[in-house]
Amino acid sequence: AQSVSQHNHHVILSEAASLELGCNYSYGGTVNLFWYVQYPGQHLQLLLKYFSGDPLVKGIKGFEAEFIKSKFSFNLRKPSVQWSDTAEYFCAVNLAGAGGTSYGKLTFGQGTILTVHP
Amino acid sequence: NAGVTQTPKFQVLKTGQSMTLQCAQDMNHEYMSWYRQDPGMGLRLIHYSVGAGITDQGEVPNGYNVSRSTTEDFPLRLLSAAPSQTSVYFCAVGLYNEQFFGPGTRLTVL
Repeated sequence: AQSVSQHNHHVILSEAASLELGCNYSYGGTVNLFWYVQYPGQHLQLLLKYFSGDPLVKGIKGFEAEFIKSKFSFNLRKPSVQWSDTAEYFCAVNLAGAGGTSYGKLTFGQGTILTVHP
Repeated sequence: NAGVTQTPKFQVLKTGQSMTLQCAQDMNHEYMSWYRQDPGMGLRLIHYSVGAGITDQGEVPNGYNVSRSTTEDFPLRLLSAAPSQTSVYFCAVGLYNEQFFGPGTRLTVL
Protein backbone atom coordinates (compact mmCIF):
# COMPACT_ATOMS: atom_id res chain seq x y z
CA ALA A 1 0.00 0.00 0.00
CA GLN A 2 1.14 3.49 -0.70
CA SER A 3 2.24 5.77 2.10
CA VAL A 4 2.87 9.47 2.41
CA SER A 5 5.46 11.04 4.69
CA GLN A 6 5.66 14.63 5.81
CA HIS A 7 9.00 15.20 7.44
CA ASN A 8 8.22 18.16 9.62
CA HIS A 9 5.63 17.88 12.34
CA HIS A 10 5.77 21.52 13.41
CA VAL A 11 7.36 24.45 11.63
CA ILE A 12 7.64 27.86 13.25
CA LEU A 13 8.44 30.91 11.12
CA SER A 14 8.34 34.66 11.32
CA GLU A 15 6.30 36.66 8.85
CA ALA A 16 8.01 37.19 5.47
CA ALA A 17 10.14 34.08 5.88
CA SER A 18 10.17 31.53 3.10
CA LEU A 19 8.43 28.21 3.54
CA GLU A 20 9.12 24.73 2.27
CA LEU A 21 7.24 21.71 3.57
CA GLY A 22 8.42 18.29 2.54
CA CYS A 23 6.26 15.46 1.25
CA ASN A 24 7.39 12.07 -0.02
CA TYR A 25 5.31 9.16 -1.16
CA SER A 26 6.07 5.52 -1.65
CA TYR A 27 4.50 4.31 -4.87
CA GLY A 28 6.22 3.61 -8.15
CA GLY A 29 3.23 4.08 -10.41
CA THR A 30 1.46 7.14 -11.68
CA VAL A 31 0.11 9.34 -8.91
CA ASN A 32 -2.07 12.37 -8.45
CA LEU A 33 -0.79 14.69 -5.73
CA PHE A 34 -2.49 17.21 -3.48
CA TRP A 35 -1.88 19.68 -0.72
CA TYR A 36 -4.73 20.49 1.64
CA VAL A 37 -4.81 23.13 4.36
CA GLN A 38 -6.79 23.18 7.58
CA TYR A 39 -7.05 26.56 9.31
CA PRO A 40 -7.75 26.49 13.04
CA GLY A 41 -11.27 25.28 13.70
CA GLN A 42 -12.07 24.82 10.04
CA HIS A 43 -12.41 21.95 7.62
CA LEU A 44 -9.84 20.93 5.03
CA GLN A 45 -9.53 22.98 1.87
CA LEU A 46 -7.66 22.17 -1.31
CA LEU A 47 -4.54 24.32 -1.84
CA LEU A 48 -3.30 22.80 -5.08
CA LYS A 49 -3.14 19.61 -7.06
CA TYR A 50 -0.96 17.92 -9.64
CA PHE A 51 -2.13 15.40 -12.18
CA SER A 52 0.29 15.74 -15.10
CA GLY A 53 2.19 18.27 -17.18
CA ASP A 54 4.28 21.07 -15.73
CA PRO A 55 5.73 19.72 -12.46
CA LEU A 56 5.59 23.18 -10.90
CA VAL A 57 2.03 23.75 -9.75
CA LYS A 58 0.63 27.02 -8.50
CA GLY A 59 -2.21 27.08 -6.03
CA ILE A 60 -4.23 29.57 -4.07
CA LYS A 61 -2.84 32.20 -1.69
CA GLY A 62 0.61 32.26 -3.30
CA PHE A 63 1.47 28.61 -2.62
CA GLU A 64 3.21 26.41 -5.14
CA ALA A 65 4.50 22.86 -5.19
CA GLU A 66 7.03 21.00 -7.28
CA PHE A 67 6.68 17.39 -8.30
CA ILE A 68 10.03 15.62 -8.60
CA LYS A 69 9.31 12.15 -9.87
CA SER A 70 12.81 10.81 -9.34
CA LYS A 71 12.64 11.76 -5.67
CA PHE A 72 9.00 10.75 -5.15
CA SER A 73 8.49 14.20 -3.69
CA PHE A 74 5.92 16.96 -3.85
CA ASN A 75 7.16 19.79 -1.66
CA LEU A 76 5.05 22.82 -0.86
CA ARG A 77 6.59 26.29 -1.02
CA LYS A 78 5.72 29.88 -0.40
CA PRO A 79 8.23 32.73 -0.82
CA SER A 80 6.90 34.89 2.01
CA VAL A 81 4.52 33.61 4.67
CA GLN A 82 1.92 35.63 6.51
CA TRP A 83 0.43 35.25 9.97
CA SER A 84 -2.78 34.12 8.27
CA ASP A 85 -0.94 31.08 6.88
CA THR A 86 -0.91 29.58 10.36
CA ALA A 87 -2.61 26.22 9.81
CA GLU A 88 -2.01 22.53 9.42
CA TYR A 89 -0.95 21.33 5.98
CA PHE A 90 -1.58 17.87 4.59
CA CYS A 91 -0.04 16.20 1.58
CA ALA A 92 -2.19 13.53 -0.10
CA VAL A 93 -1.75 10.99 -2.86
CA ASN A 94 -4.14 9.19 -5.16
CA LEU A 95 -3.11 6.28 -7.36
CA ALA A 96 -3.95 7.32 -10.88
CA GLY A 97 -5.70 4.60 -12.80
CA ALA A 98 -6.41 2.52 -9.72
CA GLY A 99 -8.97 -0.11 -10.52
CA GLY A 100 -12.16 -1.24 -8.88
CA THR A 101 -13.74 1.08 -6.38
CA SER A 102 -10.45 2.51 -5.16
CA TYR A 103 -10.13 5.21 -7.78
CA GLY A 104 -11.35 7.89 -5.42
CA LYS A 105 -9.16 7.06 -2.45
CA LEU A 106 -6.74 9.56 -1.00
CA THR A 107 -3.88 8.67 1.29
CA PHE A 108 -2.84 11.52 3.57
CA GLY A 109 0.43 12.34 5.24
CA GLN A 110 0.68 12.99 8.95
CA GLY A 111 0.31 16.72 8.59
CA THR A 112 2.62 19.65 9.31
CA ILE A 113 1.56 22.38 11.69
CA LEU A 114 2.79 25.77 10.55
CA THR A 115 2.92 28.59 13.08
CA VAL A 116 3.74 32.05 11.76
CA HIS A 117 4.67 34.73 14.27
CA PRO A 118 3.82 38.34 13.41
CA ASN B 1 -18.37 23.91 2.74
CA ALA B 2 -22.09 24.55 2.48
CA GLY B 3 -22.54 21.45 0.29
CA VAL B 4 -21.46 18.95 2.99
CA THR B 5 -23.06 18.92 6.42
CA GLN B 6 -22.21 16.82 9.43
CA THR B 7 -24.08 16.32 12.68
CA PRO B 8 -23.47 16.48 15.54
CA LYS B 9 -20.50 18.85 15.86
CA PHE B 10 -19.53 17.50 19.25
CA GLN B 11 -20.38 14.28 21.04
CA VAL B 12 -19.30 12.59 24.24
CA LEU B 13 -19.98 8.88 24.65
CA LYS B 14 -19.31 6.32 27.30
CA THR B 15 -17.50 3.14 26.40
CA GLY B 16 -19.91 0.65 24.90
CA GLN B 17 -22.49 3.15 23.75
CA SER B 18 -23.55 3.32 20.13
CA MET B 19 -24.18 6.29 17.93
CA THR B 20 -24.46 7.40 14.33
CA LEU B 21 -22.55 10.28 12.80
CA GLN B 22 -24.54 11.88 10.03
CA CYS B 23 -23.22 13.21 6.74
CA ALA B 24 -25.36 14.78 4.05
CA GLN B 25 -24.52 16.45 0.75
CA ASP B 26 -26.39 18.43 -1.84
CA MET B 27 -23.68 18.22 -4.50
CA ASN B 28 -25.08 15.12 -6.18
CA HIS B 29 -21.71 13.36 -5.99
CA GLU B 30 -21.63 9.60 -6.10
CA TYR B 31 -18.40 9.31 -4.14
CA MET B 32 -18.42 9.86 -0.37
CA SER B 33 -15.86 9.02 2.29
CA TRP B 34 -15.35 9.00 6.04
CA TYR B 35 -12.00 9.89 7.58
CA ARG B 36 -10.78 10.16 11.11
CA GLN B 37 -8.15 12.71 12.08
CA ASP B 38 -5.79 12.06 14.95
CA PRO B 39 -2.81 14.20 16.04
CA GLY B 40 0.36 13.23 14.23
CA MET B 41 -1.42 10.69 12.05
CA GLY B 42 -3.14 12.87 9.47
CA LEU B 43 -6.40 11.68 8.02
CA ARG B 44 -7.10 7.99 7.68
CA LEU B 45 -9.84 6.58 5.52
CA ILE B 46 -12.46 4.57 7.39
CA HIS B 47 -15.05 3.67 4.75
CA TYR B 48 -16.08 5.00 1.40
CA SER B 49 -18.93 4.66 -1.05
CA VAL B 50 -19.00 4.94 -4.83
CA GLY B 51 -22.76 5.23 -4.97
CA ALA B 52 -26.01 4.21 -3.34
CA GLY B 53 -25.83 0.61 -2.19
CA ILE B 54 -22.05 0.32 -2.68
CA THR B 55 -19.58 0.71 0.16
CA ASP B 56 -16.07 -0.49 0.82
CA GLN B 57 -13.51 -0.46 3.60
CA GLY B 58 -10.70 2.00 3.89
CA GLU B 59 -7.56 1.87 5.97
CA VAL B 60 -9.13 1.72 9.46
CA PRO B 61 -12.63 0.19 9.20
CA ASN B 62 -12.73 -1.83 12.41
CA GLY B 63 -15.42 -0.71 14.86
CA TYR B 64 -17.36 1.23 12.23
CA ASN B 65 -20.25 0.39 9.95
CA VAL B 66 -21.65 2.29 7.01
CA SER B 67 -24.51 2.03 4.58
CA ARG B 68 -25.57 4.15 1.62
CA SER B 69 -29.23 4.04 0.80
CA THR B 70 -29.37 7.41 -0.96
CA THR B 71 -26.94 9.60 -2.90
CA GLU B 72 -27.32 12.36 -0.32
CA ASP B 73 -26.60 10.55 2.94
CA PHE B 74 -23.72 8.47 4.21
CA PRO B 75 -24.01 7.76 7.94
CA LEU B 76 -21.19 6.28 10.01
CA ARG B 77 -22.16 3.98 12.86
CA LEU B 78 -20.20 3.14 15.96
CA LEU B 79 -21.79 0.01 17.37
CA SER B 80 -19.86 -0.13 20.64
CA ALA B 81 -17.72 2.92 21.22
CA ALA B 82 -14.20 2.54 22.56
CA PRO B 83 -11.77 5.19 23.87
CA SER B 84 -9.57 4.50 20.83
CA GLN B 85 -12.34 5.98 18.69
CA THR B 86 -11.89 9.39 20.28
CA SER B 87 -11.11 11.50 17.24
CA VAL B 88 -12.34 14.11 14.82
CA TYR B 89 -14.39 12.60 12.03
CA PHE B 90 -14.65 14.17 8.60
CA CYS B 91 -17.00 13.29 5.82
CA ALA B 92 -15.80 14.05 2.30
CA VAL B 93 -17.65 14.23 -0.99
CA GLY B 94 -16.24 13.87 -4.45
CA LEU B 95 -13.57 12.00 -6.31
CA TYR B 96 -9.84 12.30 -5.84
CA ASN B 97 -9.57 15.29 -8.17
CA GLU B 98 -11.19 17.39 -5.50
CA GLN B 99 -12.77 16.20 -2.31
CA PHE B 100 -14.97 18.59 -0.36
CA PHE B 101 -14.83 18.11 3.37
CA GLY B 102 -17.52 18.66 5.93
CA PRO B 103 -16.95 20.67 9.12
CA GLY B 104 -16.22 17.57 11.21
CA THR B 105 -17.57 15.87 14.32
CA ARG B 106 -15.40 15.87 17.44
CA LEU B 107 -16.08 12.65 19.31
CA THR B 108 -14.85 11.82 22.80
CA VAL B 109 -15.29 8.34 24.23
CA LEU B 110 -14.83 8.09 27.98
